[in-house]
Amino acid sequence: DAMVIQNPRYQVTQFGKPVTLSCSQTLNHNVMYWYQQKSSQAPKLLFHYYDKDFNNEADTPDNFQSRRPNTSFCFLDIRSPGLGDTAMYLCATSGRIGVDGELFFGEGSRLTVL
Amino acid sequence: AQSVTQLGSHVSVSEGALVLLRCNYSSSVPPYLFWYVQYPNQGLQLLLKYTSAATLVKGINGFEAEFKKSETSFHLTKPSAHMSDAAEYFCAVSDRGGYQKVTFGTGTKLQVIP
Repeated sequence: DAMVIQNPRYQVTQFGKPVTLSCSQTLNHNVMYWYQQKSSQAPKLLFHYYDKDFNNEADTPDNFQSRRPNTSFCFLDIRSPGLGDTAMYLCATSGRIGVDGELFFGEGSRLTVL
Repeated sequence: AQSVTQLGSHVSVSEGALVLLRCNYSSSVPPYLFWYVQYPNQGLQLLLKYTSAATLVKGINGFEAEFKKSETSFHLTKPSAHMSDAAEYFCAVSDRGGYQKVTFGTGTKLQVIP
């Protein structure tokens, strides 16, 4: 089945130790998103790629970076995680801008910073 | 700017009872509206979406929602709750045209009591 796959599902890291989360998709979608979801909160958009064009949300900390080497893969890099970065990180895709905005989510990567 | 408001962060219903989760939207143009469901430690899954066809939208797992422009509402209902419906539900909105940034509500946790 076509899908969005995130790895790892669970990640524990030390304060300040860089971490990379990955997302792959077999939907051949143009747009890929990274959301941060803290406990009992709504998902918060960090950034998105439309093809190779990167779009950062204004309030996304510089500590968060992203790479999209090809259509299928997208990575979230957290350069120096703080305790406040403990959260679920959700990758999502959509077919193209100008359609109805339906998002297809992966299972999420739960990050714990100690 | 578009937004959604979900009334009630927690809703409890008895098994077999009606489920009603409330969502009101604010948008400068006719929006696209969505309901997503999230089970513990998983990503979000689309339940249903409104994109300007029928105002009564049927989704998966027996859920439906009605778009009411006059009330700016998009409430989610299910006639008879099952234990498996216990999850968190997010209402979301995106504007039509151009880049459709999806804005999520704060979520409603549904508890189903046996």
